[in-house]
Amino acid sequence: EAQVTQNPRYLITVTGKKLTVTCSQNMNHEYMSWYRQDPGLGLRQIYYSMNVEATDKGDVPEGYKVSRKEKRNFPLILESPSPNQTSLYFCASRPEKGTYTFGSGTRLTVV
Amino acid sequence: GDSVTQMEGPVTLSEEAFLTINCTYTATGYPSLFWYVQYPGEGLQLLLKATKADDKGSNKGFEATYRKETTSFHLEKGSVQVSDSAVYFCALSDRGYSTLTFGKGTMLLVSP
Repeated sequence: EAQVTQNPRYLITVTGKKLTVTCSQNMNHEYMSWYRQDPGLGLRQIYYSMNVEATDKGDVPEGYKVSRKEKRNFPLILESPSPNQTSLYFCASRPEKGTYTFGSGTRLTVV
Repeated sequence: GDSVTQMEGPVTLSEEAFLTINCTYTATGYPSLFWYVQYPGEGLQLLLKATKADDKGSNKGFEATYRKETTSFHLEKGSVQVSDSAVYFCALSDRGYSTLTFGKGTMLLVSP
């Protein structure tokens, strides 16, 4: 089944403890992207990637890192999480000329 | 920069009522326009899209027409069902398709 898989689905962590949210797609898509969803703000893009070793900042990149060493994987790294990064995170991927497919989301709580 | 404005919710309707969710956009050039739906506890699913002016996207009884003169992409359905209860997001994509710019979302609640 074609899909975008994120892990974990739920995560509670403490301020300052590094964490990684994984994202993997099995569709050989070139583009991948991370969004965060917050009440009243909709979805905002954090980072996106055009292909392996090609990433760029979205609208809200502060406090996040990404890497794209393999085409299928696009992990989101929070080096020192803070409570304002408590949010619902979505990974998405798309082919070069096509629409995005979204993962099921990761609900992160930073206390 | 690009932006999308949607009507605020929640929109509360009875089953079989007519639905309109307004969406207007600001963009340079000629973006593609999308409606995504998010059911409770799930990710976003593409509902419909339109890539050029006067195109009509349609799916599952929902329709939206790309109106360049009014910069709008309103979502409509003639007869809603309880199962349509969800959050609906209007979005646009620039020419490079690298990013999606979303509206804030509109929650739809349909009662029997």
